[in-house]
Amino acid sequence: NAGVMQNPRHLVRRRGQEARLRCSPMKGHSHVYWYRQLPEEGLKFMVYLQKENIIDESGMPKERFSAEFPKEGPSILRIQQVVRGDSAAYFCASSPNSGAGETQYFGPGTRLLVL
Amino acid sequence: AQTVTQSQPEMSVQEAETVTLSCTYDTSESDYYLFWYKQPPSRQMILVIRQEAYKQQNATENRFSVNFQKAAKSFSLKISDSQLGDAAMYFCAYRGLWGNTPLVFGKGTRLSVIA
Repeated sequence: NAGVMQNPRHLVRRRGQEARLRCSPMKGHSHVYWYRQLPEEGLKFMVYLQKENIIDESGMPKERFSAEFPKEGPSILRIQQVVRGDSAAYFCASSPNSGAGETQYFGPGTRLLVL
Repeated sequence: AQTVTQSQPEMSVQEAETVTLSCTYDTSESDYYLFWYKQPPSRQMILVIRQEAYKQQNATENRFSVNFQKAAKSFSLKISDSQLGDAAMYFCAYRGLWGNTPLVFGKGTRLSVIA
């Protein structure tokens, strides 16, 4: 059973460009969480999605950031008009259910560098 | 809002010795889950151990054990017989029991293992 997959692993963008980060959850997992890790910081929650639904986006910046998890295909985190402050590692995690005790399995992360 | 505090930015331990990493948290909830994640240089997030707050018995996983003090809101991680492969960032995390609550992470402790 393949783990959570994220691509690309590294992404370089110039200011003003768009960044698209993809996450394929583990097989059988329908719950996806996105976290952001700034340098020397812990992970901060961004958004929680189930198939075709955004359940909680309380950690998402109000502008430029969006996320989706379509019926088919990976979850996408989209950052429009990137700025240098968006440089971070973005982690996706998945779980089979939404229970608090459910282990969230993390992907390897996407390192975004904005020049 | 819940917060997680790791007061030791860096720790070091001699190989084969024991080390304890500290974590405190703040919550008004009575039931919740606590986790320790390891992040090696590869940046992959790996679950080390978890504790259900309603269980008084401290969780153990091989060389890893926790000291859970619910009244003090303390959740320390003890690593016995430290190995070179234990060198990593360690993150303490909290998750509430109810609703679609995300993981709340501390800032991490960087553990070095000295041969």
